[in-house]
Amino acid sequence: SYELTQPPSVSVSPGQTARITCSAPSFPKEFGNWYQQKPGQAPVLIIYQDTKRPSGVPERFSGSNSGTTVTLMIRGVQAEDEADYFCQSGDRSRRFGVFGGGTKLTVL
Amino acid sequence: EVQLAQSGPEVRKPGESLKMSCRASGYNFNNYWIGWVRQKPGKGLEWLGIVYPSDSDTRYSPSFQGQVTISADRSTTTAYLQFHSLKASDTAIYYCARHLGDCSTVSCYFDSWGQGALVTVST
Repeated sequence: SYELTQPPSVSVSPGQTARITCSAPSFPKEFGNWYQQKPGQAPVLIIYQDTKRPSGVPERFSGSNSGTTVTLMIRGVQAEDEADYFCQSGDRSRRFGVFGGGTKLTVL
Repeated sequence: EVQLAQSGPEVRKPGESLKMSCRASGYNFNNYWIGWVRQKPGKGLEWLGIVYPSDSDTRYSPSFQGQVTISADRSTTTAYLQFHSLKASDTAIYYCARHLGDCSTVSCYFDSWGQGALVTVST
């Protein structure tokens, strides 16, 4: 089965840099996308096609793809960044999408 | 501005059917895939499937193939998620979202989301 693996939780102090990883054997040829979800709200797209940022998303959010791992980086973490983060990609051979299990970011 | 307005919360008994709706506005409904995502209480997101309104082409996650039906009505710019026989394990929030790409090309992702609708299945 096609699975994306994320750490369940990441903790960081305000002003520090948070890195959230998402691993899958397919990432050398598939793109990764990232969503932020705050309690009681719908998810919001924050990174697409590995590195692109939709308009309105702060520049402190960035993404990278290093082969079998895509990474979301949040520089200068703020209290408002505390949320769940989900990676997502597509399986081109079978034409469907899949989400990672999600990572809860805690700002200490 | 892209807007996706979902129908309200639903309560059903096991074995009953349900058809949820998602009214789209602010963009050309025919030219974008639109899909559904499940989130069980306290859990992560699950990709259910997508539909292309222009020709009603659909894609389903293998986990949900045969369990739900996704469709779209171009005349009302509305997407639907239909359950044929609900189970207690279908209790979740269901989101509709606009989907870029069909996952057979280079990338696919959801760029705009509805507010979500809670479905509760209980005796």
